[in-house]
Amino acid sequence: GAGVSQSPSNKVTEKGKDVELRCDPISGHTALYWYRQSLGQGLEFLIYFQGNSAPDKSGLPSDRFSAERTGGSVSTLTIQRTQQEDSAVYLCASSLAPKTQYFGPGTRLLVL
Amino acid sequence: GQQLNQSPQSMFIQEGEDVSMNCTSSSIFNTWLWYKQDPGEGPVLLIALYKAGELTSNGRLTAQFGITRKDSFLNISASIPSDVGIYFCAGQIVGNQGGKLIFGQGTELSVKP
Repeated sequence: GAGVSQSPSNKVTEKGKDVELRCDPISGHTALYWYRQSLGQGLEFLIYFQGNSAPDKSGLPSDRFSAERTGGSVSTLTIQRTQQEDSAVYLCASSLAPKTQYFGPGTRLLVL
Repeated sequence: GQQLNQSPQSMFIQEGEDVSMNCTSSSIFNTWLWYKQDPGEGPVLLIALYKAGELTSNGRLTAQFGITRKDSFLNISASIPSDVGIYFCAGQIVGNQGGKLIFGQGTELSVKP
């Protein structure tokens, strides 16, 4: 079956613009996670959705970052008024249970 | 936030050699995971460990969940060129923290044919 997909694969934007990143999880997976990976670094947790529960937003670095998950499936991560330090790879993962997370290929964001 | 200390940061080895890398944490986890990431790709799960003291193998890979629940190691035996990539450890607390992963900084492995 299909794995986690993300779009776009690459995004170049100008400082101050808003961007939306999309994640399509594996069908049937109830949990969805967003992580950020800066160059040469490990992954940093951003936000977690589990079913209909309130999302865990504890990793979001500022109020410019937000995410939603519609219909328990597709998720969108929005970054408003982008800054150069937002440049990173944004990775989405999904899981059937809060154990094995399967990652998408990521969206490479470059803020000029 | 929480961090894992992963070492070494990078390794340059000859094909056929064995490799060992490890992670330590100041916090207890109830799950340890090892991922491999190739350039331009997302991390791929190699091994998952769910019990303290557990030793698990996946082909040439062996990983152990430390008895204190604060550390884990990954060994790769008889390395081959396709082992090249970045290896990440990740700790997870399944439960009221929702299962988010805390990652190490990665070990970049280079294998010389």
